[in-house]
Amino acid sequence: DGGITQSPKYLFRKEGQNVTLSCEQNLNHDAMYWYRQDPGQGLRLIYYSQIVNDFQKGDIAEGYSVSREKKESFPLTVTSAQKNPTAFYLCASSPSGGQGYTFGSGTRLTVV
Amino acid sequence: RKEVEQDPGPFNVPEGATVAFNCTYSNSASQSFFWYRQDCRKEPKLLMSVYSSGNEDGRFTAQLNRASQYISLLIRDSKLSDSATYLCVVNGNAGNMLTFGGGTRLMVKP
Repeated sequence: DGGITQSPKYLFRKEGQNVTLSCEQNLNHDAMYWYRQDPGQGLRLIYYSQIVNDFQKGDIAEGYSVSREKKESFPLTVTSAQKNPTAFYLCASSPSGGQGYTFGSGTRLTVV
Repeated sequence: RKEVEQDPGPFNVPEGATVAFNCTYSNSASQSFFWYRQDCRKEPKLLMSVYSSGNEDGRFTAQLNRASQYISLLIRDSKLSDSATYLCVVNGNAGNMLTFGGGTRLMVKP
């Protein structure tokens, strides 16, 4: 079955470390997105990519980086510059044309 | 003003009740509208798209009022399993980019 896979499900980061969250989709979707969700809050857009080898900053890109070398993959790196990284991170993908998103099951990142 | 606004709730209703959520959006050029459901500590999942003429899916009815720029979701005969957060979603300025409301929390009680 086609879908979107995020890993790991839970991730613990020490202060000052960079960590990378994986997102892979086999839906043949052109666009991919990263969102952050804090407890009791809505989704905030970090980065998005409409096509391979191109990506754009969202509303809260500071302290994060991404790459889109393959259509299927859109990894997110949470750098040490992100001062408050503890959150639920959601990756999504969509075909072109204004259709809905398919979400991965998320990665819960905690700073220890 | 937020691009997509929802009453955060919570809406506490008994089983069997009918409950309605509204959502307003600011971008008059928006063309695509959706309701997503998000369970606690899970990813959002598409509940239904919203069409101009209104549409129904079982106990769920969605309506769109373009003139007033609001979207509604009606749930009839509420079940305990309907307890979740409901996200109003609208496409924004750039093609297929979606903007999410903050969500309305529904709690259905026995």
